Amino acid sequence: DTEVTQTPKHLVMGMTNKKSLKCEQHMGHRAMYWYKQKAKKPPELMFVYSYEKLSINESVPSRFSPECPNSSLLNLHLHALQPEDSALYLCASSQGGQGLSETQYFGPGTRLLVL
Amino acid sequence: QQQVKQSPQSLIVQKGGISIINCAYENTAFDYFPWYQQFPGKGPALLIAIRPDVSEKKEGRFTISFNKSAKQFSLHIMDSQPGDSATYFCAASISAGYSTLTFGKGTMLLVSP
Repeated sequence: DTEVTQTPKHLVMGMTNKKSLKCEQHMGHRAMYWYKQKAKKPPELMFVYSYEKLSINESVPSRFSPECPNSSLLNLHLHALQPEDSALYLCASSQGGQGLSETQYFGPGTRLLVL
Repeated sequence: QQQVKQSPQSLIVQKGGISIINCAYENTAFDYFPWYQQFPGKGPALLIAIRPDVSEKKEGRFTISFNKSAKQFSLHIMDSQPGDSATYFCAASISAGYSTLTFGKGTMLLVSP
């Protein structure tokens, strides 16, 4: 099973709202990732968690706040977003650990619209 | 040095034809080269991947050709079908306890019936 699940599938929020995106995997992976994808562009890395610790923050604005409560769960808390933050938000996971690179498995994404 | 250059940007192929997408990289530290297929509104799905110690890998109708000395790799889709119409991303990865993917800009493939 190589499934990464994401909820919700779609989200519409106003610029003053607070919402959260959720990602879950049960593959025993220890690395988890958040990406943002605009139309007709490749995914753009936002955050990487390795063994539940934040390893990479790609200069993402503080209105995006990641959280990794345990090795299977990854959240992305959203607050005071801007219309330009509207995009497909993707979660991915990989085995993690030292050694060669391994496959990242992506979830279906959350389509976010900020009004 | 972190870039992966992908071409063409878009491709139209007749049903039954061969689709070819090319990628090139500069950073010799990359150790894993996956291809992802993405349908509109969906997440990218791993199609096939290769490591630099292998020159070719085939899975069904999909083949990766890898040229380490030229720092190039390509995806060949044999007997292309309308259901293959999607966006294809090549990527290259470096390991650091987790994998850092560098994506190409993508190729929109349309297979005409």
